[in-house]
Amino acid sequence: DAGVTQSPTHLIKTRGQQVTLRCSPKSGHDTVSWYQQALGQGPQFIFQYYEEEERQRGNFPDRFSGHQFPNYSSELNVNALLLGDSALYLCASSLTDRVTGELFFGEGSRLTVL
Amino acid sequence: AQSVSQHNHHVILSEAASLELGCNYSYGGTVNLFWYVQYPGQHLQLLLKYFSGDPLVKGIKGFEAEFIKSKFSFNLRKPSVQWSDTAEYFCAVKKQTAGNKLTFGGGTRVLVKP
Repeated sequence: DAGVTQSPTHLIKTRGQQVTLRCSPKSGHDTVSWYQQALGQGPQFIFQYYEEEERQRGNFPDRFSGHQFPNYSSELNVNALLLGDSALYLCASSLTDRVTGELFFGEGSRLTVL
Repeated sequence: AQSVSQHNHHVILSEAASLELGCNYSYGGTVNLFWYVQYPGQHLQLLLKYFSGDPLVKGIKGFEAEFIKSKFSFNLRKPSVQWSDTAEYFCAVKKQTAGNKLTFGGGTRVLVKP
């Protein structure tokens, strides 16, 4: 049973560029959340997708956008990259109709912005 | 805004020592509480969770946590640590009405010396 998979694992971009990160949820899960983990900090919630729509959003600018596909996989897009966007981006999946709300995390995509 | 505080950023201890990591949150409503662990080079994994009932929760690998509602705390404990417990530990809180949005603390790096 595949867990949450993310790609790419590492990437380097320059300021002003755009990046797309990808996530495949754990088998059977229908909800995907994205988190940003800056160095030395805990993960911060970016947004959550369910039924191909953004359901909740954290305190992130519109430069951060996402998409969920019919197969429940998801993309995170960041436009006009800033140095401060350098972080580990985590994808987490869950099953929405379960009240436990346990999240399963991928290993993350480490983005470096130069 | 809801926040989660973890009091210790770094903890160093020897094998067989006892471990206690503090976690306090600021939200006054009904919450669900989690401890996640991130071993070196691995993804975040759930250690234990509290939803309701007995405030003393037992998790995997001998960890337990106690929810003290009056103190807004959810401290993690392990009576006797092993070298393999070296990891970063994150406390997380979810409002019951907040879908799957977790608010994480800043994490505590634990180093267990053999």
